[in-house]
Amino acid sequence: QKEVEQNSGPLSVPEGAIASLNCTYSDRGSQSFFWYRQYSGKSPELIMSIYSNGDKEDGRFTAQLNKASQYVSLLIRDSQPSDSATYLCAVNRGATNKLIFGTGTLLAVQP
Amino acid sequence: KAGVTQTPRYLIKTRGQQVTLSCSPISGHRSVSWYQQTPGQGLQFLFEYFSETQRNKGNFPGRFSGRQFSNSRSEMNVSTLELGDSALYLCASSLGKSGILNTEAFFGQGTRLTVV
Repeated sequence: QKEVEQNSGPLSVPEGAIASLNCTYSDRGSQSFFWYRQYSGKSPELIMSIYSNGDKEDGRFTAQLNKASQYVSLLIRDSQPSDSATYLCAVNRGATNKLIFGTGTLLAVQP
Repeated sequence: KAGVTQTPRYLIKTRGQQVTLSCSPISGHRSVSWYQQTPGQGLQFLFEYFSETQRNKGNFPGRFSGRQFSNSRSEMNVSTLELGDSALYLCASSLGKSGILNTEAFFGQGTRLTVV
């Protein structure tokens, strides 16, 4: 079992729709959770961090965390073609800079 | 505020050679981590340095090593290069202070290493 699992996609959604990206993790000791966006040929860009159960909203992005079920999700409202990228889920067990990444979900927003 | 700076951006090396990559973190950040990204394996953690000490290490052979200087800048070295070392090498900086709220990590642009 991989430590962090994501559906590789591609996830195709029409422009203006809600894109829902999911991630599960195996280590119950995980404490911090992150979503990164990576455009082709570029480096990962941090878009959301979440540390406690529930929802966290930032603009068009909402991160959801359920520690009991060991899953994290990212919702993108009003999806735009510019949101087309690979979305990486990352998990950190402690207070250090060691991230365990999923393999990423490729999102394609169709105009 | 300057971001994370990695140099060089691109490198081509021959099998058996060694290579040194450099990373300057965001000002005030004391933790630097290194990752290898390949199409087949995704992003894999190499090691983390905090206050000039290696704090975490991933599952890579001893040919991969690193260090951190007193100004928090970090270098990564790969000796006896193999074809399989061709990858995008990324460094990420974070505050490094205790507490999970200080664990947000920001990536540099990466160094694309090609071994021929």
